[in-house]
Amino acid sequence: DVKVTQSSRYLVKRTGEKVFLECVQDMDHENMFWYRQDPGLGLRLIYFSYDVKMKEKGDIPEGYSVSREKKERFSLILESASTNQTSMYLCASSSRGLNEKLFFGSGTQLSVL
Amino acid sequence: DQQVKQNSPSLSVQEGRISILNCDYTNSMFDYFLWYKKYPAEGPTFLISISSIKDKNEDGRFTVFLNKSAKHLSLHIVPSQPGDSAVYFCAAADTGNQFYFGTGTSLTVIP
Repeated sequence: DVKVTQSSRYLVKRTGEKVFLECVQDMDHENMFWYRQDPGLGLRLIYFSYDVKMKEKGDIPEGYSVSREKKERFSLILESASTNQTSMYLCASSSRGLNEKLFFGSGTQLSVL
Repeated sequence: DQQVKQNSPSLSVQEGRISILNCDYTNSMFDYFLWYKKYPAEGPTFLISISSIKDKNEDGRFTVFLNKSAKHLSLHIVPSQPGDSAVYFCAAADTGNQFYFGTGTSLTVIP
């Protein structure tokens, strides 16, 4: 069964802390994405990557960075966590090609206090 | 600017009846459309999709209709079941493998 695994389901951090969210996929997908989901705002794209060492900004990259050193792993970094980054974070992956669907991880609910 | 819109934040339907969830998009370059279902504290799961060359795709109780001229798609669930209660996201994809999501519709199926 295909899988996208996010390292933590729930995370509580303090304002100003550096936060790492890890995501691993076992489907040999080229594309990986980080979204955040907030009530009434849907899924908003933070960063995405089409290949190892490549990264592209999504719609809301401010306050975030990413790392893709290996094909299967895509990390989201909050350089200095703030309370407005409290959210559900979703990692997803897809194959390159036409009509490919996104596979999501189970999400990380991050609370920044 | 939101390129994919779901104008109904919530919908309530009696068990056994039809649920119709709607979605509009603005970008005519979108060529693939998907519906995802999301339960609280879980990631979205793929439900059904449709290519722009089709106007209907059916999978069991779920049917997606695409009206390209109106830039509108809808998801029909017949018959609705209590287990269908979830948030449904509409998504559109372009040829660059980018996905654009709507804000979601929360469906409640009343037993």
